[in-house]
Amino acid sequence: EPEVTQTPSHQVTQMGQEVILRCVPISNHLYFYWYRQILGQKVEFLVSFYNNEISEKSEIFDDQFSVERPDGSNFTLKIRSTKLEDSAMYFCASNWDLNTEAFFGQGTRLTVV
Amino acid sequence: AQKVTQAQTEISVVEKEDVTLDCVYETRDTTYYLFWYKQPPSGELVFLIRRNSFDEQNEISGRYSWNFQKSTSSFNFTITASQVVDSAVYFCALSAGGYGGSQGNLIFGKGTKLSVKP
Repeated sequence: EPEVTQTPSHQVTQMGQEVILRCVPISNHLYFYWYRQILGQKVEFLVSFYNNEISEKSEIFDDQFSVERPDGSNFTLKIRSTKLEDSAMYFCASNWDLNTEAFFGQGTRLTVV
Repeated sequence: AQKVTQAQTEISVVEKEDVTLDCVYETRDTTYYLFWYKQPPSGELVFLIRRNSFDEQNEISGRYSWNFQKSTSSFNFTITASQVVDSAVYFCALSAGGYGGSQGNLIFGKGTKLSVKP
């Protein structure tokens, strides 16, 4: 069964460093998303991406964040200068149509020290 | 504004008990979608069900059933004869229907942690 794949599963980084979280969405999907879940809290929308551009972004997704689809398969989230409060689980998701269910990857646990 | 409320933070039951997880939503959209996702201890988010706002039929899938009531803006989830493997955090979520803008983006509730004890 097709699945969304995220790498790495766990990333530890020092405050102020740049990190890139990687995702391979399901191959025939057209819409891509990043969500964040701070430990023990709810899942929060960060950004949606379609047709090689951002469709919408939340207040969390400030200038420190960027997304890119560098080729036909990868979808990346970059955090330029990480802060302690960026520590969270980051989920990538995709769907083939806006009105269908999104399938989530396993998540990347980012720890900023 | 869209909002999803899961008032039950934690529920603990004994195996074989039935349990209902509550979800109340707020939206001004006439077309919208409701979802339930399961997050087991391993951390991934597993899709369980999607309903659109025009389909109020209840749905049953094995031991799982869902009760959608537009009149009370609720989309409750019942597990019948619970099992230890059902232990997880369950999230209810809402998205606007149609195309463009915020459609497709999921607004999650805070989740209900279900513990099923043997």
